[in-house]
Amino acid sequence: EVQLVESGGGLVQPGGSLRLSCAASGFTFSSYSMNWVRQAPGKGLEWVSYISSSSSTIYYADSVKGRFTISRDNAKNSLYLQMNSLRDEDTAVYYCARDRVDIVATIDWFDPWGQGTLVTVSS
Amino acid sequence: QSVLTQPPSVSGAPGQRVTISCTGSSSNIGAGYDVHWYQQLPGTAPKLLIYGNSNRPSGVPDRFSGSKSGTSASLAITGLQAEDEADYYCQSYDSSLSGFLFGGGTKLTVL
Repeated sequence: EVQLVESGGGLVQPGGSLRLSCAASGFTFSSYSMNWVRQAPGKGLEWVSYISSSSSTIYYADSVKGRFTISRDNAKNSLYLQMNSLRDEDTAVYYCARDRVDIVATIDWFDPWGQGTLVTVSS
Repeated sequence: QSVLTQPPSVSGAPGQRVTISCTGSSSNIGAGYDVHWYQQLPGTAPKLLIYGNSNRPSGVPDRFSGSKSGTSASLAITGLQAEDEADYYCQSYDSSLSGFLFGGGTKLTVL
């Protein structure tokens, strides 16, 4: 069974840092690109970052560029999100999601998703 | 305010048909980028519902269908069931933003 399990969330003060992890199992992790997507309380989904299977290609949403760093360790089947200079507006549930791409579609989709980990930025 | 616009809410009685629209622009859906749809049941993570505008993953009932035309896409749900009550999100890509984007989400209420 394909499974993604996030961890590392918690309460952090504005300006602080936090590192999220996503443990993957049930598939060949090193063959897939991965994403982080977040959801503020009561709000919609916001794509945060993308990393290719070999880490050669990385993208960020403008809202986190320069503050967040995505990385992965294929030997450990793990995805990471280092979050620095955190702001109140970064408060959200953070999901990791496997990237899917196929000839039937012009852009990637996300499947499956982990259960999410809550990050709360507050003093 | 999302670049992809969805109605905040839709509703329907059991057995009825509802549609959820996702309206974009020339830099995303209108540029030829496909649309995917996700279902988020209360308190759970999003789940893929439709990919590549109209393809259903295995396990998704054929009551769910998707289409795309011009700068918009639609999700249709027929034979509404109580278990369909959830939030629905469209997803595409925007060349101006150089990133993936989601619609604001639509809350479906089964009356």
